[in-house]
Amino acid sequence: KAGVTQTPRYLIKTRGQQVTLSCSPISGHRSVSWYQQTPGQGLQFLFEYFSETQRNKGNFPGRFSGRQFSNSRSEMNVSTLELGDSALYLCASSLNPTSWTGGTEAFFGQGTRLTVV
Amino acid sequence: AQKVTQAQTEISVVEKEDVTLDCVYETRDTTYYLFWYKQPPSGELVFLIRRNSFDEQNEISGRYSWNFQKSTSSFNFTITASQVVDSAVYFCALRGSARQLTFGSGTQLTVLP
Repeated sequence: KAGVTQTPRYLIKTRGQQVTLSCSPISGHRSVSWYQQTPGQGLQFLFEYFSETQRNKGNFPGRFSGRQFSNSRSEMNVSTLELGDSALYLCASSLNPTSWTGGTEAFFGQGTRLTVV
Repeated sequence: AQKVTQAQTEISVVEKEDVTLDCVYETRDTTYYLFWYKQPPSGELVFLIRRNSFDEQNEISGRYSWNFQKSTSSFNFTITASQVVDSAVYFCALRGSARQLTFGSGTQLTVLP
């Protein structure tokens, strides 16, 4: 059974550009969450999608957005990139949304390492 | 608001030593879940264990064991007879009514041969 797949693994962008990251969840999983990991702020929740709808959102500016497709694959977009957006972006998939049960396990991908120069 | 504190930033042990990673949490929720994840150099977070707030039974799984104490808001993780492959960053996380995972800052464990 394939795990969570994130593409690309590494990305270098220039300040002011926009970027789109992709996440394919484990087969059968319908919920996808995104997290940002930086040395300074640690792991922070961005948002969660289930059935193509955003179910929960963290404290990030509107430059960070996402969407989910009917096959549960998700994309995350960051517009007008800033140097501080350099981070490891992790995607996690769950069988069901955490709004149904807080105990649902989240399985993470290897992440996309974004560097903004 | 909820918070997870992992006071140990880095720990180094010699192979075969036992090591305990500390985790202290804060939440006003009466129902919540606690998790431990391991992050090897490859980057992905590997799920290790989940506990709910009503289950204080401690657990042993092979060389791993967990000690959940609600009275002290702690959920500590012990590796017995550590191995070099255990070297990784370990994260404790909490999920309460807010439903997103709140992570601690992580503990870098280095097991020396």
